[in-house]
Amino acid sequence: QVHLQESGPGLVKPSGTLSLTCTVSGDSINSANWWSWVRQPPGKGLEWVGQIYHSGSTNYNPSLKTRVTVSADKSRNQISLKVTSVTAADTAVYYCATFHIYNTAWGKSYYFDSWGQGILVSVSS
Amino acid sequence: SYELTQPPSVSVSPGQTVRITCSGDKLEDRPVCWYQQKPGQSPVLVIYEDTKRPSGIPERFSGSNSGNTATLTISGTQPIDEADFYCQAWDSSTIIFGGGTKVTVL
Repeated sequence: QVHLQESGPGLVKPSGTLSLTCTVSGDSINSANWWSWVRQPPGKGLEWVGQIYHSGSTNYNPSLKTRVTVSADKSRNQISLKVTSVTAADTAVYYCATFHIYNTAWGKSYYFDSWGQGILVSVSS
Repeated sequence: SYELTQPPSVSVSPGQTVRITCSGDKLEDRPVCWYQQKPGQSPVLVIYEDTKRPSGIPERFSGSNSGNTATLTISGTQPIDEADFYCQAWDSSTIIFGGGTKVTVL
């Protein structure tokens, strides 16, 4: 069973950069998974941020693409998230999660499997 | 961009059946997943590939997907089922969530 643990500063100043790390245990980030970030503003719904595959390929939410970078450190088995030029709208609980994409008889299917406990990041001066 | 629409809230009496809808253009053409999230907890997968239940998910949870609407059905709803539920799909390498539906068990 894979375990995901998010870490990083809980407070970031406006216009600054939000940086988070997800430490993976119980699996290697070289495995055939997409390692994803999902966020949830207080009292609101889930929003997919971006993800990285073991090959280094990345996908990003189009609404955040210009400000977001997801990267991997294979030596530490960690995934990282950077969001630049943050505002109060970036205040959220940030989750690290595994996203499986697989082939079925009629095409591709997918689901989020394991989730971290989440980390609250507030953007405030 | 592709969008998924859910009702903000639904209520149900214990033991009754509740249906949560998720609407999107030609949604039947893509698999839909459903996640349950209780306050202060991370989401949990309850349905994938429209109708399949992961191991450990009770049989009272079921799903369907036809036309423009996917539906999560909870039969014999229990008080412990009170939570937020989110549908999710994938379009052009982009992951989309519905806005979420709060299920209240009265």
